[in-house]
Amino acid sequence: GQQVMQIPQYQHVQEGEDFTTYCNSSTTLSNIQWYKQRPGGHPVFLIQLVKSGEVKKQKRLTFQFGEAKKNSSLHITATQTTDVGTYFCAGRYYGQNFVFGPGTRLSVLP
Amino acid sequence: EPEVTQTPSHQVTQMGQEVILRCVPISNHLYFYWYRQILGQKVEFLVSFYNNEISEKSEIFDDQFSVERPDGSNFTLKIRSTKLEDSAMYFCASSESEGSYGYTFGSGTRLTVV
Repeated sequence: GQQVMQIPQYQHVQEGEDFTTYCNSSTTLSNIQWYKQRPGGHPVFLIQLVKSGEVKKQKRLTFQFGEAKKNSSLHITATQTTDVGTYFCAGRYYGQNFVFGPGTRLSVLP
Repeated sequence: EPEVTQTPSHQVTQMGQEVILRCVPISNHLYFYWYRQILGQKVEFLVSFYNNEISEKSEIFDDQFSVERPDGSNFTLKIRSTKLEDSAMYFCASSESEGSYGYTFGSGTRLTVV
């Protein structure tokens, strides 16, 4: 089946540093969603990107969808301890349901 | 804020037994989903359900699994003859449209097969 890859698997940052996670697909996606899962919690929807080259911002979070709609990124500026968790992208292939990436686990050291 | 409710939060069952995981989706949502997450791993799609029928299912969702919407509010996942490898967190999710505004996940049921 289709797979969505994510890198890095883990990221440890000092509080105040920036963080980026990347999501890649070998085939074109119709759209992509990003979720955050706190330790012991459930995935919480952050955003959906649909258009080629789309960029959306939510406070310190910037989401980008590649021009070819095969990759996406989530960038967090000036991380805080509340940003700790695993960030999943979920890509949707045309006519199919969303496929989750393996996630990037973010640790923020105070 | 509306929530997706899942019960029980933790279920322990003997291998070979049947379990039913229950979910109450958000009331005005029309699309329902089951996902599972083996400890420390990614979230895996099992099945989607719309208009009282399965709209898509993954390779994981074999004859061992079934879903039902027995009434206007509940959405259930039945796992027949559980195996050790069925141990995982099972998440129910719902969405208003076909995912356009994201899925709302429940808190999950942790299934442990012993």
